[in-house]
Amino acid sequence: EVQLLESGGGLIQPGGSLRLSCAASGFTFSSYAMTWARQAPGKGLEWVSAISVSGSNTYYADSVKGRFTISRDNSKNTVYLQMSSLRVEDTAVYYCAKDRSSSPRSAMDVWGQGTTVTV
Amino acid sequence: EIVLTQSPGTLSLSPGERATLSCRTSQTVSNNYLVWYQQKPGQAPRLLIYDTFSRATGIPDRFSGSGSGTDFTLTISRLEPEDFAVYYCQLFGSSPPWTFGQGTKVEIK
Repeated sequence: EVQLLESGGGLIQPGGSLRLSCAASGFTFSSYAMTWARQAPGKGLEWVSAISVSGSNTYYADSVKGRFTISRDNSKNTVYLQMSSLRVEDTAVYYCAKDRSSSPRSAMDVWGQGTTVTV
Repeated sequence: EIVLTQSPGTLSLSPGERATLSCRTSQTVSNNYLVWYQQKPGQAPRLLIYDTFSRATGIPDRFSGSGSGTDFTLTISRLEPEDFAVYYCQLFGSSPPWTFGQGTKVEIK
């Protein structure tokens, strides 16, 4: 079964840092791009960041550029989101998602259950 | 940045009725990388439609996607009780950010 399990969320003061992890299983992790999206309380979805299969190409929303860093460890089947200089407006459920292909420019066909970050 | 505008904000329908959801882009889209997701309360989104027309694995054929240019549509031919949810479109343009629309809530009338 294809699964994504996020962890690392919590309560953090403004200006603080947090690292989210997403452990993947049930598919060949190194063959797919990965994405982070978020959803503030009572709001819609926001695309946050994506990473290529090798990790050499990364993409960010303007709202997090320069503060968040996406990375992956294909040996551990895990994708990370390092968040720094956190703001109140970063409060959200953060979802990890698998892209349909090796390109980050593709639909997300598997989603984790989300991890909550409260700033 | 391409902006996606979904309408209506809320659609009140009865089971068995047809639902038509709109997603309009602020610029003409030259590819077909328009995606639709369904989200129920307390759950993660689920992929319904990708590349404008293609149903994701396990999605019933009452869901269909269409459109081109700046106007895209998700149609649910006959609403089932489990279809009442929020629906989001997303466009994968030539460069990020790959933003979502603001969502359409389909509620029971």
